[in-house]
Amino acid sequence: AQKITQTQPGMFVQEKEAVTLDCTYDTSDPSYGLFWYKQPSSGEMIFLIYQGSYDQQNATEGRYSLNFQKARKSANLVISASQLGDSAMYFCAMRQGGGAQKLVFGQGTRLTINP
Amino acid sequence: NAGVTQTPKFQVLKTGQSMTLQCAQDMNHEYMSWYRQDPGMGLRLIHYSVGAGITDQGEVPNGYNVSRSTTEDFPLRLLSAAPSQTSVYFCASRSTVQSNQPQHFGDGTRLSIL
Repeated sequence: AQKITQTQPGMFVQEKEAVTLDCTYDTSDPSYGLFWYKQPSSGEMIFLIYQGSYDQQNATEGRYSLNFQKARKSANLVISASQLGDSAMYFCAMRQGGGAQKLVFGQGTRLTINP
Repeated sequence: NAGVTQTPKFQVLKTGQSMTLQCAQDMNHEYMSWYRQDPGMGLRLIHYSVGAGITDQGEVPNGYNVSRSTTEDFPLRLLSAAPSQTSVYFCASRSTVQSNQPQHFGDGTRLSIL
Protein backbone atom coordinates (compact mmCIF):
# COMPACT_ATOMS: atom_id res chain seq x y z
CA ALA A 1 0.00 0.00 0.00
CA GLN A 2 1.17 3.50 -0.71
CA LYS A 3 2.16 5.72 2.19
CA ILE A 4 3.36 9.28 2.66
CA THR A 5 5.41 10.37 5.68
CA GLN A 6 6.07 13.93 6.76
CA THR A 7 8.28 13.82 9.82
CA GLN A 8 8.24 17.52 10.73
CA PRO A 9 5.04 18.45 12.59
CA GLY A 10 6.16 22.08 12.81
CA MET A 11 8.93 24.32 11.55
CA PHE A 12 9.93 27.88 12.40
CA VAL A 13 11.98 29.90 9.91
CA GLN A 14 13.15 33.49 9.68
CA GLU A 15 11.74 35.57 6.86
CA LYS A 16 13.86 35.52 3.67
CA GLU A 17 15.54 32.26 4.60
CA ALA A 18 15.13 29.12 2.49
CA VAL A 19 13.22 26.22 4.02
CA THR A 20 13.02 22.53 3.19
CA LEU A 21 9.96 20.48 4.08
CA ASP A 22 10.55 16.75 4.15
CA CYS A 23 8.43 14.09 2.47
CA THR A 24 9.17 10.40 2.04
CA TYR A 25 6.92 7.93 0.30
CA ASP A 26 6.49 4.23 -0.08
CA THR A 27 5.12 2.53 -3.17
CA SER A 28 5.85 -0.51 -5.30
CA ASP A 29 4.30 1.04 -8.40
CA PRO A 30 6.91 2.40 -10.87
CA SER A 31 4.43 5.02 -12.12
CA TYR A 32 3.34 7.65 -9.62
CA GLY A 33 3.01 11.38 -9.11
CA LEU A 34 3.92 13.54 -6.13
CA PHE A 35 2.11 16.75 -5.21
CA TRP A 36 2.56 19.48 -2.66
CA TYR A 37 -0.38 21.53 -1.37
CA LYS A 38 -0.48 24.57 0.88
CA GLN A 39 -3.30 25.11 3.36
CA PRO A 40 -3.37 28.60 4.90
CA SER A 41 -5.33 29.35 8.05
CA SER A 42 -8.36 30.19 5.89
CA GLY A 43 -8.59 26.49 5.10
CA GLU A 44 -8.47 26.15 1.32
CA MET A 45 -6.11 23.70 -0.37
CA ILE A 46 -3.74 25.35 -2.85
CA PHE A 47 -1.75 23.27 -5.33
CA LEU A 48 1.94 24.20 -5.43
CA ILE A 49 4.01 21.76 -7.47
CA TYR A 50 4.01 18.34 -9.15
CA GLN A 51 6.72 15.74 -9.80
CA GLY A 52 6.18 12.65 -11.92
CA SER A 53 8.12 9.48 -11.22
CA TYR A 54 9.54 9.44 -14.75
CA ASP A 55 10.44 13.12 -14.85
CA GLN A 56 14.16 13.55 -15.45
CA GLN A 57 14.44 16.96 -13.83
CA ASN A 58 13.32 18.31 -10.49
CA ALA A 59 10.15 20.37 -10.74
CA THR A 60 10.23 24.12 -10.14
CA GLU A 61 7.42 26.68 -9.84
CA GLY A 62 8.58 30.17 -8.96
CA ARG A 63 9.96 30.11 -5.40
CA TYR A 64 9.01 26.45 -5.02
CA SER A 65 11.21 23.57 -6.09
CA LEU A 66 11.04 19.88 -5.44
CA ASN A 67 14.16 17.96 -4.43
CA PHE A 68 13.24 14.57 -5.89
CA GLN A 69 15.50 11.68 -4.89
CA LYS A 70 13.89 8.62 -6.41
CA ALA A 71 16.25 6.02 -4.98
CA ARG A 72 15.67 7.36 -1.47
CA LYS A 73 11.93 7.78 -2.13
CA SER A 74 11.96 11.36 -1.00
CA ALA A 75 10.31 14.45 -2.48
CA ASN A 76 11.23 17.43 -0.35
CA LEU A 77 9.71 20.86 -0.99
CA VAL A 78 12.13 23.76 -1.01
CA ILE A 79 10.82 27.30 -0.59
CA SER A 80 13.38 29.96 -1.39
CA ALA A 81 13.37 33.43 0.16
CA SER A 82 10.48 32.69 2.52
CA GLN A 83 7.78 35.30 3.09
CA LEU A 84 5.35 35.89 5.94
CA GLY A 85 2.55 34.71 3.66
CA ASP A 86 4.20 31.30 3.42
CA SER A 87 3.04 30.52 6.97
CA ALA A 88 0.62 27.62 6.51
CA MET A 89 0.18 23.86 6.64
CA TYR A 90 1.94 22.01 3.85
CA PHE A 91 0.86 18.59 2.64
CA CYS A 92 2.72 16.11 0.49
CA ALA A 93 0.55 13.70 -1.50
CA MET A 94 1.08 10.81 -3.88
CA ARG A 95 -1.02 9.40 -6.67
CA GLN A 96 -0.19 6.04 -8.14
CA GLY A 97 -0.61 5.30 -11.82
CA GLY A 98 -3.41 3.25 -13.27
CA GLY A 99 -7.14 3.73 -13.27
CA ALA A 100 -7.80 4.36 -9.59
CA GLN A 101 -5.83 7.61 -9.43
CA LYS A 102 -6.40 7.94 -5.71
CA LEU A 103 -4.44 10.58 -3.81
CA VAL A 104 -2.86 9.74 -0.46
CA PHE A 105 -1.80 12.57 1.84
CA GLY A 106 0.83 12.90 4.51
CA GLN A 107 -0.01 14.36 7.92
CA GLY A 108 1.35 17.76 7.03
CA THR A 109 3.94 20.22 8.33
CA ARG A 110 2.97 23.52 9.92
CA LEU A 111 5.39 26.19 8.73
CA THR A 112 5.69 29.48 10.60
CA ILE A 113 7.68 32.34 9.13
CA ASN A 114 8.99 34.80 11.71
CA PRO A 115 9.65 38.45 10.80
CA ASN B 1 -14.72 31.02 -12.60
CA ALA B 2 -16.41 28.89 -9.92
CA GLY B 3 -14.24 25.73 -9.96
CA VAL B 4 -15.40 23.37 -7.19
CA THR B 5 -18.30 24.61 -5.09
CA GLN B 6 -19.26 23.04 -1.77
CA THR B 7 -22.38 23.75 0.24
CA PRO B 8 -22.97 24.33 3.05
CA LYS B 9 -19.79 25.87 4.50
CA PHE B 10 -20.82 25.09 8.08
CA GLN B 11 -23.33 22.65 9.57
CA VAL B 12 -24.23 21.43 13.03
CA LEU B 13 -26.15 18.15 13.35
CA LYS B 14 -27.47 16.06 16.15
CA THR B 15 -26.44 12.44 16.48
CA GLY B 16 -28.60 10.25 14.28
CA GLN B 17 -29.60 12.95 11.82
CA SER B 18 -28.88 12.55 8.12
CA MET B 19 -27.74 15.15 5.66
CA THR B 20 -26.19 15.64 2.25
CA LEU B 21 -23.09 17.68 1.52
CA GLN B 22 -23.25 19.13 -1.96
CA CYS B 23 -20.35 19.36 -4.40
CA ALA B 24 -20.45 20.74 -7.92
CA GLN B 25 -17.71 21.47 -10.43
CA ASP B 26 -17.91 23.35 -13.72
CA MET B 27 -14.62 22.18 -15.28
CA ASN B 28 -16.01 19.01 -16.90
CA HIS B 29 -13.66 16.91 -14.79
CA GLU B 30 -14.12 13.17 -14.92
CA TYR B 31 -12.65 12.43 -11.49
CA MET B 32 -14.25 13.64 -8.26
CA SER B 33 -13.58 12.70 -4.68
CA TRP B 34 -14.46 13.41 -1.06
CA TYR B 35 -11.95 13.73 1.78
CA ARG B 36 -12.22 14.36 5.46
CA GLN B 37 -9.62 16.28 7.41
CA ASP B 38 -9.22 15.63 11.11
CA PRO B 39 -6.66 17.43 13.30
CA GLY B 40 -3.18 15.96 12.91
CA MET B 41 -4.26 13.34 10.36
CA GLY B 42 -4.06 15.05 6.99
CA LEU B 43 -6.76 14.30 4.42
CA ARG B 44 -8.28 10.86 4.11
CA LEU B 45 -10.23 9.65 1.10
CA ILE B 46 -13.87 8.72 1.73
CA HIS B 47 -15.28 7.97 -1.74
CA TYR B 48 -14.35 8.77 -5.29
CA SER B 49 -15.76 8.62 -8.80
CA VAL B 50 -14.01 8.31 -12.16
CA GLY B 51 -17.10 9.31 -14.12
CA ALA B 52 -20.88 9.57 -14.11
CA GLY B 53 -22.45 6.37 -12.82
CA ILE B 54 -19.19 5.06 -11.33
CA THR B 55 -18.24 5.33 -7.67
CA ASP B 56 -15.87 3.48 -5.38
CA GLN B 57 -14.77 3.43 -1.77
CA GLY B 58 -11.73 5.14 -0.40
CA GLU B 59 -9.90 4.69 2.88
CA VAL B 60 -12.73 5.63 5.29
CA PRO B 61 -16.11 4.96 3.57
CA ASN B 62 -18.17 3.69 6.51
CA GLY B 63 -21.17 5.86 7.34
CA TYR B 64 -21.15 7.68 4.00
CA ASN B 65 -22.86 7.18 0.66
CA VAL B 66 -22.22 8.84 -2.68
CA SER B 67 -23.75 8.88 -6.14
CA ARG B 68 -22.67 10.40 -9.43
CA SER B 69 -25.64 10.92 -11.74
CA THR B 70 -24.00 13.76 -13.67
CA THR B 71 -20.43 14.81 -14.44
CA GLU B 72 -20.90 18.04 -12.48
CA ASP B 73 -22.31 16.83 -9.16
CA PHE B 74 -21.00 14.47 -6.51
CA PRO B 75 -23.04 14.66 -3.27
CA LEU B 76 -21.92 13.00 -0.05
CA ARG B 77 -24.62 11.61 2.24
CA LEU B 78 -24.27 10.98 5.94
CA LEU B 79 -26.75 8.25 6.73
CA SER B 80 -26.92 8.58 10.53
CA ALA B 81 -24.53 11.19 11.88
CA ALA B 82 -22.16 10.23 14.69
CA PRO B 83 -19.82 12.45 16.76
CA SER B 84 -16.85 10.65 15.13
CA GLN B 85 -17.90 12.24 11.84
CA THR B 86 -17.17 15.73 13.15
CA SER B 87 -14.59 16.95 10.67
CA VAL B 88 -13.85 19.25 7.77
CA TYR B 89 -14.96 17.76 4.46
CA PHE B 90 -13.35 18.59 1.15
CA CYS B 91 -14.59 17.79 -2.32
CA ALA B 92 -12.06 17.72 -5.16
CA SER B 93 -12.04 17.17 -8.90
CA ARG B 94 -9.44 16.72 -11.60
CA SER B 95 -9.10 15.99 -15.26
CA THR B 96 -7.86 12.51 -16.07
CA VAL B 97 -6.52 13.45 -19.48
CA GLN B 98 -2.98 14.03 -18.21
CA SER B 99 -1.34 12.42 -15.19
CA ASN B 100 0.22 15.66 -13.97
CA GLN B 101 -3.10 17.39 -13.40
CA PRO B 102 -3.63 18.33 -9.75
CA GLN B 103 -6.86 17.97 -7.86
CA HIS B 104 -8.86 21.16 -7.48
CA PHE B 105 -10.41 21.49 -4.05
CA GLY B 106 -13.53 23.20 -2.83
CA ASP B 107 -13.35 25.46 0.20
CA GLY B 108 -14.55 22.76 2.57
CA THR B 109 -17.55 22.08 4.80
CA ARG B 110 -17.01 22.25 8.54
CA LEU B 111 -19.36 19.71 10.12
CA SER B 112 -20.04 19.31 13.84
CA ILE B 113 -22.06 16.40 15.24
CA LEU B 114 -23.41 16.92 18.74
